[in-house]
Amino acid sequence: QKEVEQNSGPLSVPEGAIASLNCTYSDRVSQSFFWYRQYSGKSPELIMSIYSNGDKEDGRFTAQLNKASQYVSLLIRDSQPSDSATYLCAVKTGNMLTFGGGTRLMVKP
Amino acid sequence: KAGVTQTPRYLIKTRGQQVTLSCSPISGHRSVSWYQQTPGQGLQFLFEYFSETQRNKGNFPGRFSGRQFSNSRSEMNVSTLELGDSALYLCASSGKSGGGRNEQFFGPGTRLTVL
Repeated sequence: QKEVEQNSGPLSVPEGAIASLNCTYSDRVSQSFFWYRQYSGKSPELIMSIYSNGDKEDGRFTAQLNKASQYVSLLIRDSQPSDSATYLCAVKTGNMLTFGGGTRLMVKP
Repeated sequence: KAGVTQTPRYLIKTRGQQVTLSCSPISGHRSVSWYQQTPGQGLQFLFEYFSETQRNKGNFPGRFSGRQFSNSRSEMNVSTLELGDSALYLCASSGKSGGGRNEQFFGPGTRLTVL
């Protein structure tokens, strides 16, 4: 059973701080990794994808991948109250995308 | 480019009934995946269709079925509804092959309530 694990949270950070979200996965042959943001009552929205070891930056978001440790993370700099949402980590192996349970992030003004 | 569309957006059914949900993928996308999302179980994979063929299937009973048409539109059907089928049903479309680096984009979902 391929697994993707996330701390359910909530992770509470003050406005302007860096939020760090983590995810581990069990299948070593996984190839592609994604972060989705889901606001309450809405569908998941793709915010980052990463395929190679290292960091990938997009605006205030940085995704980090370490395949040897089977670990992927998402950093959100200068966190805003509008970033309050559930963040889902997704791992693709072949054609299959497996989601973690999500981490609920709360950014307090 | 239009996003993934799902109809209907909301549905109320009673136990024992059946329901059909529809999904239109992003233009040019040929892979369509379906997920069930509940507060307790999170996002669970139902099945994936590519070129009118079911390519992958999750661990759901046979009451859950789907199909894909030649224009890549997809439908999923749930027969003999149970209270536990109440959930948000999400459709996601993916690029030409659906594999590798092809990203999945979600539709708004269909909220199904079974009474």
